[in-house]
Amino acid sequence: SAVISQKPSRDICQRGTSLTIQCQVDSQVTMMFWYRQQPGQSLTLIATANQGSEATYESGFVIDKFPISRPNLTFSTLTVSNMSPEDSSIYLCSAASGGASYNEQFFGPGTRLTVL
Amino acid sequence: DAKTTQPTSMDCAEGRAANLPCNHSTISGNEYVYWYRQIHSQGPQYIIHGLKNNETNEMASLIITEDRKSSTLILPHATLRDTAVYYCIVRPPRRSGAGSYQLTFGKGTKLSVIP
Repeated sequence: SAVISQKPSRDICQRGTSLTIQCQVDSQVTMMFWYRQQPGQSLTLIATANQGSEATYESGFVIDKFPISRPNLTFSTLTVSNMSPEDSSIYLCSAASGGASYNEQFFGPGTRLTVL
Repeated sequence: DAKTTQPTSMDCAEGRAANLPCNHSTISGNEYVYWYRQIHSQGPQYIIHGLKNNETNEMASLIITEDRKSSTLILPHATLRDTAVYYCIVRPPRRSGAGSYQLTFGKGTKLSVIP
């Protein structure tokens, strides 16, 4: 199994600023993803973080607002840019591997973001 | 969009079996049924998955109907720690490529285990 940590665990930010969230996996993984969970809602996939290339964004999410990096197989960052109160959510990182570990996708504890 | 339908909420007495239903009437022949749960303030956790046979592991059992249009997750002896939102997800097989890794979450069922 993979253990995923995220930093920060929570933050309160001012409108118009940006926050970068870090995701660290304790082992090399094939795929890494970023999700958003708005208050009282289910998880929505933001993008797939691709190692060494640009992230693949889902409909409704753009690189200018949510730039993502994945410099290696165990680390990724998500930046929430030019924040507004509507960006207040929990942001979760997840990771998956092929082979015998394919069936189980592991999630980090999430970063709770509040934008004032 | 999620391809599954689940009840919004359910209650279960502690120690009893919790049976969580899921409808997936448009499931394709090669798509799997996965179950995850999310305990409050934590990330989702994998529980079990299956294609057409019933499956059991240390956490739960998964019963899939013969026509595969619905399934039931069974927690045999629910405890207070099983209180969570349970998500039923339809997912393509691994050989479908990178997209097969993605999980599309619906609204899930909020299970409350009552003392």
